[in-house]
Amino acid sequence: NAGVTQTPKFRILKIGQSMTLQCTQDMNHNYMYWYRQDPGMGLKLIYYSVGAGITDKGEVPNGYNVSRSTTEDFPLRLELAAPSQTSVYFCASSYGMGVSYEQYFGPGTRLTVT
Amino acid sequence: DAKTTQPPSMDCAEGRAANLPCNHSTISGNEYVYWYRQIHSQGPQYIIHGLKNNETNEMASLIITEDRKSSTLILPHATLRDTAVYYCIVTAPNSGYALNFGKGTSLLVTP
Repeated sequence: NAGVTQTPKFRILKIGQSMTLQCTQDMNHNYMYWYRQDPGMGLKLIYYSVGAGITDKGEVPNGYNVSRSTTEDFPLRLELAAPSQTSVYFCASSYGMGVSYEQYFGPGTRLTVT
Repeated sequence: DAKTTQPPSMDCAEGRAANLPCNHSTISGNEYVYWYRQIHSQGPQYIIHGLKNNETNEMASLIITEDRKSSTLILPHATLRDTAVYYCIVTAPNSGYALNFGKGTSLLVTP
């Protein structure tokens, strides 16, 4: 299993541009999450999904959109990029059933908006 | 979700036990205590979790007080590779078990 994969690894955007961060998991997990991590800080939840077709906002959803059309994929869309969105973005997934909901994280996407 | 309080940093000698405390005095009955760690700038790694009983796995032990208001993560024989930021997180089913990371404890294991 590849686990959770994220593309791209690095990206530089100009202010006002848009992009989609890709996240794919091959563990047949129901739950998927997007977090962002600013320098020296802990991760903050942007959006999460408990299954295909179901998404919900986290702590910092403004400026982002998500969709979950398949179990495997959970893309994060940035519209009108702003310097405040410069961060490291982590995608995670978990099985979401039973007694264990441990999350498996991808390697992250480092985004700079200038 | 309940908030957690952790010391910002701790040191531990290699080979000794590392005991990382966490306060979660506002935890509610259906909330679990989860521990993750983040090594350098990698994605966080799950360590262990519990509801009210003490738990042990191949990585660590989790001791939860009887009133559930605090817990301690124990790394029994710390190695240099255990140097990381450790996050104590309280989460529940009604939030999709989403994780609310604070600043964590930066653990430095020294030779």
